[in-house]
Amino acid sequence: EAEVAQSPRYKITEKSQAVAFWCDPISGHATLYWYRQILGQGPELLVQFQDESVVDDSQLPKDRFSAERLKGVDSTLKIQPAELGDSAMYLCASSDFVTGELFFGEGSRLTVL
Amino acid sequence: GIQVEQSPPDLILQEGANSTLRCNFSDSVNNLQWFHQNPWGQLINLFYIPSGTKQNGRLSATTVATERYSLLYISSSQTTDSGVYFCALSSGSARQLTFGSGTQLTVLP
Repeated sequence: EAEVAQSPRYKITEKSQAVAFWCDPISGHATLYWYRQILGQGPELLVQFQDESVVDDSQLPKDRFSAERLKGVDSTLKIQPAELGDSAMYLCASSDFVTGELFFGEGSRLTVL
Repeated sequence: GIQVEQSPPDLILQEGANSTLRCNFSDSVNNLQWFHQNPWGQLINLFYIPSGTKQNGRLSATTVATERYSLLYISSSQTTDSGVYFCALSSGSARQLTFGSGTQLTVLP
């Protein structure tokens, strides 16, 4: 069964360092999402791509976060510099064009010390 | 934006019991999904159910779009059902999901 791939699964970094997460969506899914989930809360959207274009990045803290999907397939989410409050699970998802059903990867858990 | 409210926030059951989780929403939806978040943090798709009723083994779900709620039923619960259950939905032209705050289910042996 096709899956959304994410790496790394776990990342520990010190504040002020740079960190990057990678996501490869299900083949053929044109829409890709990055969500952030703080412990005890539901996931919140950071950025949505349609192919290589950003559809919605209104909740992305652009002073330190950036996201790209250069060839419209895999995507990278970067944080520079990391802050203590960035400790969270970063979830990538892709959606089926016909139904809009979202499928999530295993997530990347970030701890900032 | 659309509001999503899940209840109850916490639920503790004995193994073998049945349960009903509720999701209320504030606007018409074009996508509604239920997820189970496992202990490792992955969101597992349970149902894609913007309307109607579906069943998958011990789990079933019903969405009554006109009354703006969805229900997730778990029958004969098992300890492996423990975790957080999320309702998530989208409305209008937006395709991204808005999540509720989840129901933390604990099934005791």
